Amino acid sequence: QVQLVESGGGVVQPGRSLRLSCAASGFNFRSYGMLWVRQAPGKGLEWVAYIWFDGTYKYYADSVKGRSTISRDDPNNMVYLQMDSLRDDDTAMYYCVRSNRGQCGSGSCSSEDFDYWGQGTLVTVSS
Amino acid sequence: DIQMTQSPSSLSASVGDRVTVTCRASQSIGTYLNWYQQKPGKAPELLIYAASNLQSGVPSRFSGSGSGTDFTLTITSLQPEDFATYYCQQSHTVPPYTFGQGTKLEIK
Repeated sequence: QVQLVESGGGVVQPGRSLRLSCAASGFNFRSYGMLWVRQAPGKGLEWVAYIWFDGTYKYYADSVKGRSTISRDDPNNMVYLQMDSLRDDDTAMYYCVRSNRGQCGSGSCSSEDFDYWGQGTLVTVSS
Repeated sequence: DIQMTQSPSSLSASVGDRVTVTCRASQSIGTYLNWYQQKPGKAPELLIYAASNLQSGVPSRFSGSGSGTDFTLTITSLQPEDFATYYCQQSHTVPPYTFGQGTKLEIK
């Protein structure tokens, strides 16, 4: 069965860095795009970063652009989110998510959804 | 960026009721619209993909419809386990991947 297990969260001071990790299992990791979604306490869902199945493209939300780096290690089925210059408003639960695309061709796909989510790792930015 | 607006933000209903949640996109997104359910303290789960397709394992009392800018999630005959927060999300024009603000479904 598909499993996504996050780690690396914790309490960190503003301005410091943190690296989140996600261990994936139960599927052909190399065939899927992966992303991070976060949720601040009591708030809604916010997409943070996305990496293509082959690592060719990486996308970032404006709120983290320039401060975060998403990467993947396909031999070890891992995806990472390096977060630098952390701010109070980065405090959130961070979810590792698998992207599932429908039929693709001619540069587009019939659908894309987020079909598996990890349980999340909590990042608290506080002095 | 495409904005997603859900209504209502919260909703009270009783077991056995039929409820509808609406999601509107700021521009046409075809059927690139997904719905997620999130229970307190848990990760979200995919309910409906591509506007109207039921994810495997999701009960048939859930259904989705719409295309373009207007979409609905309908739950017929509410069950106690359906009380949760529901989010829509578009994957038509990305990045960014955008979610609606959520609709909290509470027991009346």
